[in-house]
Amino acid sequence: AQTVTQSQPEMSVQEAETVTLSCTYDTSESDYYLFWYKQPPSRQMILVIRQEAYKQQNATENRFSVNFQKAAKSFSLKISDSQLGDAAMYFCAYSQNAGNMLTFGGGTRLMVKP
Amino acid sequence: DSGVTQTPKHLITATGQRVTLRCSPRSGDLSVYWYQQSLDQGLQFLIQYYNGEERAKGNILERFSAQQFPDLHSELNLSSLELGDSALYFCASSLGTNTGELFFGEGSRLTVL
Repeated sequence: AQTVTQSQPEMSVQEAETVTLSCTYDTSESDYYLFWYKQPPSRQMILVIRQEAYKQQNATENRFSVNFQKAAKSFSLKISDSQLGDAAMYFCAYSQNAGNMLTFGGGTRLMVKP
Repeated sequence: DSGVTQTPKHLITATGQRVTLRCSPRSGDLSVYWYQQSLDQGLQFLIQYYNGEERAKGNILERFSAQQFPDLHSELNLSSLELGDSALYFCASSLGTNTGELFFGEGSRLTVL
């Protein structure tokens, strides 16, 4: 079974600084998807960024980028120029190629200090 | 706004009772997923429906059941409720089963007293 591990329960960053959230996963599959979801206090899960395992290039969405290390099964999220609105729970998630069933990590609470 | 609608947003009930949570997927999406988020178990996949048929099953208790109707809305039925069933229940939808992107509703907060 696939597992997703987020080793940082909480992280803190100063506004305008950069922070990296860690995620590791375990799978025997070669094709899969990885995601970062944001859950603000409003509690809705919002997709931040996704990465297809067959793509070597790291995904980027504005201030959000990932460092995908397939051999190491590592998928970290970098948030640049952190903003107060980035404060939220961040979940790393895995999905096999077929089915879209997501396996989530335990989450990292990100606090942004003004 | 994800386009996924869940009702009710909040629900308080007693142990032993039965509740129904409702989800309307995004327009055009055929797949519906149910997830449970609790403090001790985190986010867990419960069940998936695709175009009215059950497609995948996760850690769903026998006391729980779900279905997807011809108009593609879905309901999650929780019966013989226990204190431990208190959680946030999310519905998500996607176009198909192989696109890799889910859109989540705002969740239904269930409190069992």
